[in-house]
Amino acid sequence: NAGVTQTPKFRILKIGQSMTLQCTQDMNHNYMYWYRQDPGMGLKLIYYSVGAGITDKGEVPNGYNVSRSTTEDFPLRLELAAPSQTSVYFCASSHGGRVEGYTFGSGTRLTVV
Amino acid sequence: QKEVEQNSGPLSVPEGAIASLNCTYSDRGSQSFFWYRQYSGKSPELIMFIYSNGDKEDGRFTAQLNKASQYVSLLIRDSQPSDSATYLCAVRDDKIIFGKGTRLHILP
Repeated sequence: NAGVTQTPKFRILKIGQSMTLQCTQDMNHNYMYWYRQDPGMGLKLIYYSVGAGITDKGEVPNGYNVSRSTTEDFPLRLELAAPSQTSVYFCASSHGGRVEGYTFGSGTRLTVV
Repeated sequence: QKEVEQNSGPLSVPEGAIASLNCTYSDRGSQSFFWYRQYSGKSPELIMFIYSNGDKEDGRFTAQLNKASQYVSLLIRDSQPSDSATYLCAVRDDKIIFGKGTRLHILP
């Protein structure tokens, strides 16, 4: 019963490098989300998906891309990493019901130097 | 822009006392409300949800909702040092919007 699995847990990138943050859920949830969390700033929605093949921008999408080819996977791509992307990234999922909360992964701590 | 407001704290409460955490939200049409607990360096964990006016109790936790005042609160009875964490208030319309959280410190 894995829930939402994120990899890697930690990563250091150099400015201008690219990487993909992986997110997989085994709960057959249609809805998946990517958040970033900076100290004292709360959770900011980057991108979300309501099902395979459907993605949409959240509050802070610039510098990121996503894809959703399967129900289980929702990878987040960082192109040309910048120091402003240093953050903790959380993936979350839900069935989508209005009285249902999100289940979060354990997070990826990314530092761009 | 829809907003969820919380006092950032820290809120310091003696062990065994009642901790009271508060949250206001801007969208009168919001329909469901959540409290998440987040330990330092960990991911948010759902501890309570409420969607009807009034109180909802689960063990030592009570969530209170007042839609007319656009106000949600979380009471933690018999506070324990293990309750020390950041508590995120969240409000759902089409998506969940999170507050910035209140840091709670239970004093042994």
